[in-house]
Amino acid sequence: EIVLTQSPDFQSVTPGEKVTITCRASQSISNALHWYQQKPHQPPRLLIKIASQSFSGVPSRFSGSGSGTEFTLTINGLEAEDAATYYCHQSSSLPLTFGGGTKVEIK
Amino acid sequence: QVHLVESGGGVVQPGRSLRLSCTASGFTFSTYAMHWVRQAPGKGLEWVAVISDDGNKKYYSDSLKGRFTISRDNSKNMLYLQLNSLRVEDSAIYYCARDVGKLWNYFDYGGQGTPVTVSS
Repeated sequence: EIVLTQSPDFQSVTPGEKVTITCRASQSISNALHWYQQKPHQPPRLLIKIASQSFSGVPSRFSGSGSGTEFTLTINGLEAEDAATYYCHQSSSLPLTFGGGTKVEIK
Repeated sequence: QVHLVESGGGVVQPGRSLRLSCTASGFTFSTYAMHWVRQAPGKGLEWVAVISDDGNKKYYSDSLKGRFTISRDNSKNMLYLQLNSLRVEDSAIYYCARDVGKLWNYFDYGGQGTPVTVSS
């Protein structure tokens, strides 16, 4: 099973600041890494697919990068509506797995 | 647009069974693989199972140990998850989600979820 380790677990950020979330895979997954945003009492929403491709309708302040075992989600200019938990997810091999999540709070 | 609505959740005693349903609309259901993903209270996301577009291939999380069965009826645009021998640790919100392809990959849309509580 591929284990995804996210860091940090929690981040408190002022609006307008940059947020960087890291996801490390226990083995190489090429670019089969995707990012989801989940707000309380809502289902996960796809933000970034295949490491760096923005999903339809996602604001341009969200971007992804990386390949192999290390990936990054960046939010450039955090907005209040971005308060949520962010998960990375790998589709390189079964069983599909998720990272533990990073909760982003607005200061 | 893609619309997925789960149903069938509820409160059930340990050892009992439950069948969850997911009604799909807004897309050609029979051409996409479908997943179930769950989230225990206050916890992260956990992948449960996937079924291919034609229903012939099914894959499960190892942790389920054969207790759950995924199925679909393409004539009714329905996805199902049969949960048997339920345990307290199966308590979670269960989401159905659409894959981007025909077998398994990542998911692009999900439903609002249906809650399952296993308690005596």
